Amino acid sequence: EADIYQTPRYLVIGTGKKITLECSQTMGHDKMYWYQQDPGMELHLIHYSYGVNSTEKGDLSSESTVSRIRTEHFPLTLESARPSHTSQYLCASSDPLAGVYEQYFGPGTRLTVT
Amino acid sequence: GESVGLHLPTLSVQEGDNSIINCAYSNSASDYFIWYKQESGKGPQFIIDIRSNMDKRQGQRVTVLLNKTVKHLSLQIAATQPGDSAVYFCAENNGGTYKYIFGTGTRLKVLA
Repeated sequence: EADIYQTPRYLVIGTGKKITLECSQTMGHDKMYWYQQDPGMELHLIHYSYGVNSTEKGDLSSESTVSRIRTEHFPLTLESARPSHTSQYLCASSDPLAGVYEQYFGPGTRLTVT
Repeated sequence: GESVGLHLPTLSVQEGDNSIINCAYSNSASDYFIWYKQESGKGPQFIIDIRSNMDKRQGQRVTVLLNKTVKHLSLQIAATQPGDSAVYFCAENNGGTYKYIFGTGTRLKVLA
């Protein structure tokens, strides 16, 4: 069982609201990732981080932002939610420098914007 | 209408039979491969991995085969059980970089 947590698990909000999706891991991994996944579809990388104070945009254009102030915490923020943001958001971590190439995933946040 | 993504390739197997799920990967430089299982509404769960210096790796009831010549990966599940019903997808990585390339997935249905 991976020690990576996401909250909330489910969120329904109205258009224009600001939201933050939380992700925490207790494995001390340096690398963390945010993916967006629509039902039955592939995972698309939207943000990643190599470590504290390091964040990069991924392959999929996203209107979200991330921060990495602490190793264990990698929150994702949507300043103004829109219906097009409705999706599942998955957080993951890995530590290839320690030989941990495997990505550990959290349970996901299912976001619905009305 | 329905999203194309909902029409995942589906493999239906009888309970107790063996399952084989295939994946074609894209980058010949990839040196690390993972198989994930994803149940509805949950995050992907690691099943087994293999590095490019190996052709085969076995776990509990699962075996991964890697054919680098044709860039093909397969997952074999022995004695498939109802709890194995899920979407399975492979992922590839090169040198531990940030970029994991994920396959589209195969839905496994176990028939009682």
